[in-house]
Amino acid sequence: RKEVEQDPGPFNVPEGATVAFNCTYSNSASQSFFWYRQDCRKEPKLLMSVYSSGNEDGRFTAQLNRASQYISLLIRDSKLSDSATYLCVVRYNTDKLIFGTGTRLQVFP
Amino acid sequence: DTAVSQTPKYLVTQMGNDKSIKCEQNLGHDTMYWYKQDSKKFLKIMFSYNNKELIINETVPNRFSPKSPDKAHLNLHINSLELGDSAVYFCASSHGLDNSPLHFGNGTRLTVT
Repeated sequence: RKEVEQDPGPFNVPEGATVAFNCTYSNSASQSFFWYRQDCRKEPKLLMSVYSSGNEDGRFTAQLNRASQYISLLIRDSKLSDSATYLCVVRYNTDKLIFGTGTRLQVFP
Repeated sequence: DTAVSQTPKYLVTQMGNDKSIKCEQNLGHDTMYWYKQDSKKFLKIMFSYNNKELIINETVPNRFSPKSPDKAHLNLHINSLELGDSAVYFCASSHGLDNSPLHFGNGTRLTVT
């Protein structure tokens, strides 16, 4: 089983739609969690950290379920510019961050 | 004022050659990393250094040798390049604390012919 698993997609959604991605992780000792965004031929960039109580940043909401070992990302009111690959990242041990394979989102007009 | 910069951006070379990729960060971070992103877009950690000390070495062939002259620099030297080494290599840095995210460089696209 992979350490961090994501549905690769692609998720094709119209503008204005709400879309949700899930990510599962295998190591229960995982300490912190992030969502990154990667555009084609670019470096990954931090979208948001994921906190135990869940957190929101504008149209983006992240949730963590430690008991079931998954995290989620909800995007409301999708924009064309949201089209990208969304990477789930899990940290265990202070210096080790493991990336999921990414979920591709395509928002169409 | 680039935070994490790596050079070169593109590297095309022949099998058997030796090449280096340089990385520098001006964020004052203690920890630096090298990640490899293959053709399937999977980002895999290769090495991690904390204050110039090797922390993580993820079963990377000995042909890959990281060097950290100081905590702001982490270079990657690759000997005897193989076709399978073709990938995008990303340097990154972080504070190394539990909730610290990674900051990535722009990537080096290595093509071995």
